[in-house]
Amino acid sequence: GEDVEQSLFLSVREGDSSVINCTYTDSSSTYLYWYKQEPGAGLQLLTYIFSNMDMKQDQRLTVLLNKKDKHLSLRIADTQTGDSAIYFCAERSGGSYIPTFGRGTSLIVHP
Amino acid sequence: KAGVTQTPRYLIKTRGQQVTLSCSPISGHRSVSWYQQTPGQGLQFLFEYFSETQRNKGNFPGRFSGRQFSNSRSEMNVSTLELGDSALYLCASSLARGLNTEAFFGQGTRLTVV
Repeated sequence: GEDVEQSLFLSVREGDSSVINCTYTDSSSTYLYWYKQEPGAGLQLLTYIFSNMDMKQDQRLTVLLNKKDKHLSLRIADTQTGDSAIYFCAERSGGSYIPTFGRGTSLIVHP
Repeated sequence: KAGVTQTPRYLIKTRGQQVTLSCSPISGHRSVSWYQQTPGQGLQFLFEYFSETQRNKGNFPGRFSGRQFSNSRSEMNVSTLELGDSALYLCASSLARGLNTEAFFGQGTRLTVV
């Protein structure tokens, strides 16, 4: 079945760039998503990318997709303490309405 | 526009009891999905409802059930609670079922089974 893998933790200094990586196995993935979950809250969609795109930029966020390697990354420029949260990668394949989520990467931003 | 509302926010139950969680989707949204989030398993899909019908079901035992009402509000029920059912239960609503429709999540119900 589908599988989405992420590293569990990432620690960065405030002002640096953060790069959160994700790999997936379903080659028919059509939409790939990044969600953010702050403590005590639900998931908030940050951005998504279609599988026919290589890159998408939205303010401080840059999503890169390497479809050949099934690798997705989220880069956060000028990381702030408010960016500390859990970031989930998710994918949706052409045959399913249900996204498959990774386990989430805890981003810790320290001064 | 109100977001997805889940009630209650926190719940403590004892083993063997049953529990019902509620989710009110964003007005106009017809698709509601439920997820279980635990530190060990991450986000696991439970089921999806659309127009009062269960359209997809995850790999959970029959103790987990749900339903959707004509106003799109949804409930999930867990019977004969086990300690391992302690988790954050998240509900997500979306306008339709297309792949390009965004899912909006509620804040979740934190269930603790003691």
